[in-house]
Parts: sequence; C-alpha cells; structure tokens
Amino acid sequence: QSVLTQPPSASGTPGQRVTISCSGSTSNIGSNSVNWYQQLPGSAPQLLIYSNDQRPSGVPDRFSGSKSGTSASLAISGLQSEDEADYYCAAWDDSLNGDLFGTGTKVTVL
Amino acid sequence: EGQLVQSGAEVKKPGESLKISCKDSGDSFSNYWIGWVRQRPGKGLEWIGIIFPHDSEVKYSPSFQGRVTISADKSISTAYLQWSSLKASDTAMYYCARFRLIYWGVNWFDPWGQGTLVTVSS
Repeated sequence: QSVLTQPPSASGTPGQRVTISCSGSTSNIGSNSVNWYQQLPGSAPQLLIYSNDQRPSGVPDRFSGSKSGTSASLAISGLQSEDEADYYCAAWDDSLNGDLFGTGTKVTVL
Repeated sequence: EGQLVQSGAEVKKPGESLKISCKDSGDSFSNYWIGWVRQRPGKGLEWIGIIFPHDSEVKYSPSFQGRVTISADKSISTAYLQWSSLKASDTAMYYCARFRLIYWGVNWFDPWGQGTLVTVSS
C-alpha cells in the first residue's frame, strides 16, 4: 500500500511560521498534483489548498502550498489560535488508480 | 452547486447490512463525481472510492473493493455507501464529498458532507 508520510505533529506560537511536509513517490506526488485539507476539531475536513498551490476563495493567504519532486509542503505564516487542527495532504496515485491521503499532522498553537 | 447532506448516525450489530446516503442539494449532481472517505476513531482519512452518477462508473480503493458498494440515484441526487455484512472494524465516521476532476491526477474533494457516524457493536 502506497502512503504519503507527514510528521505526526507540529507546533508554534502565535505569529510564527509552521511548515508541514508530505513525502510520497513517483506514482503519486511525483506525477500528480497535491491537495491539502484542514480538519478542525469535531468537524468534517475542508479543502485548504488544491493543485499544489491554489487557495479556494475564503482561505487566508497565510496558507500556502508548494511541491518539488516527490514531496510537498504546507506553510502557515502568522499562526493563529484558530489554526489548531489536523492537516492532511492528498494526491492521486497512478498505481492504485485512486486517491491517497497523508498520515495527518496535528498543529498545536502554544 | 449545492451542499452535501448525509444521513444520520447508525448503530448496528456485526453481520447486519447498512446503506448510508449523501444528498446533493444542488442541480448538477449527475455532472460531478462523488466520493466516500472513512475516518476511524482517532485516526486519519482513507479513500474508499468514487462514483460518476451520470453513468454510475465507480472506482474503488483496493482496500475497500468487495467490502462496500457505492451507488447513486441521479433522480433524487443521492449517493450511497452500503455494506452487506458489517464488522466491528467498520466503526468509523464516513464522509461524502464532491470529487472535482480536472483530469486524472488533478482532482480534489470539495465540498464535504457533515459525516455519518457508523457504530458496529454487539
């Protein structure tokens, strides 16, 4: 089973910049675009970044995404308390012929 | 494009069958893929599969193939996820979401339903 690997946790103080990595392979991130989802406590996931670096309307520009080779990153600048959530990367996998989600990263605002 | 509204929480016994639903409140249901995602308690997201209501084409994750059935009724803009024989390991929150397909490899889920909690316990 293919997997997208994320660090289990990340943290920062208000105003800091936090970066979350997502590591995959040539059959997923290396070949296809990456999306990021934010899941606030007790809520359904919601789209945060799509197609590597695009923000849906309503998502603050504090959130940015990037991709290089078989890895991707989500950056949160100017961290705020409301950013405490779980974050998941995702990408289509050509071997599975389906989507893969990352292992998830819990962001804590100290 | 509308919201996705899922059916309510279910409590079932092992071996029982179940069908949960996801209704699109908009008028473009047939033109978009709809997907299902599992989240076990305290765990991450898992891709179950997607369906294109226009022609009922379905793609399943290998991990779920044969364990669940995804279907849709475009006359009532509703997608379904069903089990013929539940196990305790099926206990999870299940989300439906619209699968935006630009082309295979450039796709994402948006928006998501509110989730349906399925509890399987004897």
